[in-house]
Amino acid sequence: AQSVTQLGSHVSVSEGALVLLRCNYSSSVPPYLFWYVQYPNQGLQLLLKYTTGATLVKGINGFEAEFKKSETSFHLTKPSAHMSDAAEYFCAVTLLREGGKLIFGQGTELSVKP
Amino acid sequence: EPEVTQTPSHQVTQMGQEVILRCVPISNHLYFYWYRQILGQKVEFLVSFYNNEISEKSEIFDDQFSVERPDGSNFTLKIRSTKLEDSAMYFCASSSGRGQETQYFGPGTRLLVL
Repeated sequence: AQSVTQLGSHVSVSEGALVLLRCNYSSSVPPYLFWYVQYPNQGLQLLLKYTTGATLVKGINGFEAEFKKSETSFHLTKPSAHMSDAAEYFCAVTLLREGGKLIFGQGTELSVKP
Repeated sequence: EPEVTQTPSHQVTQMGQEVILRCVPISNHLYFYWYRQILGQKVEFLVSFYNNEISEKSEIFDDQFSVERPDGSNFTLKIRSTKLEDSAMYFCASSSGRGQETQYFGPGTRLLVL
């Protein structure tokens, strides 16, 4: 069965610094991978996703992630953090044959210091 | 921009009572989902629904849970006899397809069982 592990439940960076949120997955077949963001009192919003093709995917708000099959990773990065990036970030995986259910990691709370 | 809506935003109920959580998915979507997030834990899949029937359900989705699409717009989750451990944030999501298609999430209903 597939699973997702997010390393670090809390990450704190300074404004303008690099953001790196780690995600590793376990799957017996190539998965579809997603990053969602949750701002306080809001639902989950898609940041970006990998399905097929180019392994470096770009999303909203300057975020990007790279699918590395050999490392079973899908880490999320942003070159320069902004105060508005403070939120909870969830990595998720799904398999088409599984009917589309998303399996989520435990989430990483990102804090941005001025 | 179309969005998924959920009502109520908060619900407090007594143990053993029935609750119905309501969702209005995006109008042209065909796949519907319920997830939940117990405080401090990861987002967990409950059930998926397509073509007026359940496509897949998790171990959590036992006989106390049911889903329904009573009309062309609403999608409901019913918990027949609530338990303390049902206290969680419940998210509805919808998508136009499975797998690589993005699931759009509502803002959630926070359920507290006393």
